Amino acid sequence: AQSVTQPDIHITVSEGASLELRCNYSYGATPYLFWYVQSPGQGLQLLLKYFSGDTLVQGIKGFEAEFKRSQSSFNLRKPSVHWSDAAEYFCAVGEPSGSARQLTFGSGTQLTVLP
Amino acid sequence: DSGVTQTPKHLITATGQRVTLRCSPRSGDLSVYWYQQSLDQGLQFLIQYYNGEERAKGNILERFSAQQFPDLHSELNLSSLELGDSALYFCASSPRQGRNTGELFFGEGSRLTVL
Repeated sequence: AQSVTQPDIHITVSEGASLELRCNYSYGATPYLFWYVQSPGQGLQLLLKYFSGDTLVQGIKGFEAEFKRSQSSFNLRKPSVHWSDAAEYFCAVGEPSGSARQLTFGSGTQLTVLP
Repeated sequence: DSGVTQTPKHLITATGQRVTLRCSPRSGDLSVYWYQQSLDQGLQFLIQYYNGEERAKGNILERFSAQQFPDLHSELNLSSLELGDSALYFCASSPRQGRNTGELFFGEGSRLTVL
């Protein structure tokens, strides 16, 4: 069964600093990979996704993520964090084939941004 | 706005009661997914429907049931409620097969509080 690990429960950065959120997955082949963001009281919004091709993917709000097959990782990065980026971030993995397409989520990383 | 509509947004009820959560997927999406988000369990997949038929089942309790209607809206029924059922329940939808690149589109959730 597939699984996702987000080793950092909580990360605090200063506004303007760079950010990297870690994500490791367990899956037999190359899965579909996603990063979602959840602001307080809101649903989950898709930041970016990877399913094939270029291993560096660009997303919304200036985020990017890099798929590294050798490390089974899909880390999320942003060069300069804004106060509005404070939220919870979820990495997710999905199966690229088959009739069941549910996503398996990591436990999330809460991001706090200091002024 | 993801296009996925969930009602009610908030619900407070007592132990032993039964509630129904409703979800309208994005226009044209045939798949509906239900997830439960709680502090101790994180985001847990409950069940998926595709065009009216159950497609995948996750960690859904026997006290919970769901269905998808011909107009593609879905309902999640929670019965004999316990304190531990208090959580945020998300509905998500995805496009029909062939147009599915894996991502799910989430509603804003229904927050259930069991007293």
